[in-house]
Amino acid sequence: QSVLTQPPSVSGAPGQRVTISCTGSSSDIGAGYDVHWYQQLPGTAPKLLIYGNVNRPSGVPDRFSGSNSGTSASLAITGLQAEDEADYYCQSYDSSLSALFGGGTKLTVL
Amino acid sequence: QVQLQESGPGLVKPSETLSLTCTVSGGSLISSYWGWIRQAPGKGLEWIGHIYSSGDTDYNPSLKSRVTISVDTSKNQFSLKLTSVTAADTAVYYCAKRADYGDFDSWGQGTLVTVSS
Repeated sequence: QSVLTQPPSVSGAPGQRVTISCTGSSSDIGAGYDVHWYQQLPGTAPKLLIYGNVNRPSGVPDRFSGSNSGTSASLAITGLQAEDEADYYCQSYDSSLSALFGGGTKLTVL
Repeated sequence: QVQLQESGPGLVKPSETLSLTCTVSGGSLISSYWGWIRQAPGKGLEWIGHIYSSGDTDYNPSLKSRVTISVDTSKNQFSLKLTSVTAADTAVYYCAKRADYGDFDSWGQGTLVTVSS
């Protein structure tokens, strides 16, 4: 089973822009499977942030955006706010249609 | 948006079977995929498997030999069974609805299952 690789942590000051990468392979992201992003606040269930690579569910601020290229995807957060401090996970599928999650990235707002 | 609620024992003995049920409200199970995802303490998310309302399933290859997911559309519930559990199966178990793009757009609050004698 493939693995999606994320940086363990990223940080930024309020108002800044941060990006979180999600690196896969030719068997998953590179094969054209959509990437989705989740935000998990401490002690709570994950919340869908981005679906289908670039789409935001209703209620998600446009400060959050997704992109992908080749075997990687990225989540960008602009105008960083204290409430954005959370764990972020990417998710996709591999050629056997198994769902894959990245290892997660802890975002710290300085 | 649908609501999901996990239920089941919070403590399971090693070598026994973990059984959880997810009750869906505010919508029907019909014509959708429903999944189980777990998160060990301090760790990331791990997909366990999912089931379509017709009963078709897909499982994580690393767990496939021990996992069974079933659905009961009459009760609007789907269930997880994980056999021969060890301490490594201690985790918060989430049930979730899989949406059209393959994302999980609705999640239960999660239930902690501890494997210990």
